[in-house]
Amino acid sequence: GESVGLHLPTLSVQEGDNSIINCAYSNSASDYFIWYKQESGKGPQFIIDIRSNMDKRQGQRVTVLLNKTVKHLSLQIAATQPGDSAVYFCAELEGGSRLTFGEGTQLTVNP
Amino acid sequence: GAGVSQSPSNKVTEKGKDVELRCDPISGHTALYWYRQSLGQGLEFLIYFQGNSAPDKSGLPSDRFSAERTGGSVSTLTIQRTQQEDSAVYLCASSLEKRQETQYFGPGTRLLVL
Repeated sequence: GESVGLHLPTLSVQEGDNSIINCAYSNSASDYFIWYKQESGKGPQFIIDIRSNMDKRQGQRVTVLLNKTVKHLSLQIAATQPGDSAVYFCAELEGGSRLTFGEGTQLTVNP
Repeated sequence: GAGVSQSPSNKVTEKGKDVELRCDPISGHTALYWYRQSLGQGLEFLIYFQGNSAPDKSGLPSDRFSAERTGGSVSTLTIQRTQQEDSAVYLCASSLEKRQETQYFGPGTRLLVL
């Protein structure tokens, strides 16, 4: 399944499928990006980050892709599990140390 | 401590009352941030403290909101004369001094103004 950031705030996938969550960022000068996962009733939890001198970074079951040309960020989750159900936020570091967050995408994993 | 802690976890107050929200950052983290998250929304930056520098208050929505950080550690966010639109989750985060360091979030304080 695939989400197009702010315009499709919900994404529903089957357990075991790969998920792709997209995010468009606003500032071409942003040089650091983070994906956070927020489960219901909890604070955001760091998943993975990427600096602007990279276009891809991999973690455990997650990959972040950065396309600076079109100011687009994506989070890929391999073999999605029910525990991955949460709201996912992208954030960009624009200047100073202020992170600007996107509105989030609700990922629902169906067993 | 092991992570960022916030208190209280929940706060119900009446319109017009003042409230204080507390944040204990991760030990050794010199940067501290406050954010507000309304129901189903993203995070809205409020204020940022870095060491002994003057805080970045540019995100505070009105002069009813203020924050302080004592001794470079614990921070208190104060909302005076609360309004119903102040109802939200208030999140605190901390990070190491360097700019591109990950911000680690606390569980938040859920504020309900009746």
